[in-house]
Amino acid sequence: QKEVEQDPGPLSVPEGAIVSLNCTYSNSAFQYFMWYRQYSRKGPELLMYTYSSGNKEDGRFTAQVDKSSKYISLFIRDSQPSDSATYLCAMSAQNDMRFGAGTRLTVKP
Amino acid sequence: EAQVTQNPRYLITVTGKKLTVTCSQNMNHEYMSWYRQDPGLGLRQIYYSMNVEVTDKGDVPEGYKVSRKEKRNFPLILESPSPNQTSLYFCASSLAGSPLHFGNGTRLTVT
Repeated sequence: QKEVEQDPGPLSVPEGAIVSLNCTYSNSAFQYFMWYRQYSRKGPELLMYTYSSGNKEDGRFTAQVDKSSKYISLFIRDSQPSDSATYLCAMSAQNDMRFGAGTRLTVKP
Repeated sequence: EAQVTQNPRYLITVTGKKLTVTCSQNMNHEYMSWYRQDPGLGLRQIYYSMNVEVTDKGDVPEGYKVSRKEKRNFPLILESPSPNQTSLYFCASSLAGSPLHFGNGTRLTVT
C-alpha cells in the first residue's frame, strides 16, 4: 500500500462546476498538508498549506483535512479553464514529505 | 524574483555518459532536494540537503550523486546514466519546515 493514495483521474468537468480532489494517507505522523498545482511543462506550485485538521479557504479554493480518517480534500468552486492542471497532494512530518501521484483535471469552457 | 532555476530544461544523452543537472535558488533556503517524477509514481525523492556540506539519501538514490558546496547550489550528478533514469527531474528548496518551492524541471532521456 502506498503511503499516500490519490486518484490519478483524469477528471473532466464543465466550466463553473465544483471540483473535489482527494487523498488518503496511512502515516498518522503527518502534520502538514499541502496541495500543489502543476501546469504542463512547469514545476509544482504551492496552492494551499494547512496544519492539522480543519478547513482553510483561499478564494475559490478550500482545503479540508480530517486526520481521524487520514483524508484530505481540495475543493475548487466556480472552476475555470485556467484551473486545468495536475493537482498533487503532499504531506509532511518533520522533514519527510510525501506526494500523491497527482490528479489531472480538465475544465472545459 | 524568488525562484529555483534548473538547467538544462531538456537533455538527451547516451548510456554511460556522465552528466550534471544544475540547480540554483536565490531565496537563501537551507533545505534543497531533488525529485524525479514518473507517470503513476508521482514525485520520489532522490537526495536532499539540510544545509551546506550536509546531504542525505532519499527514497531512490541509486545511480545519483549530489553535492552542496554553497548554500544556493545543489547539482545532481549522474556518473553513468542508464535508460531507467529517463524521467522528469525537479529541484526544490525551502526554509526548514516550510513548503517546497520547485524549479521548472529537467526532462532527461537516456538512450
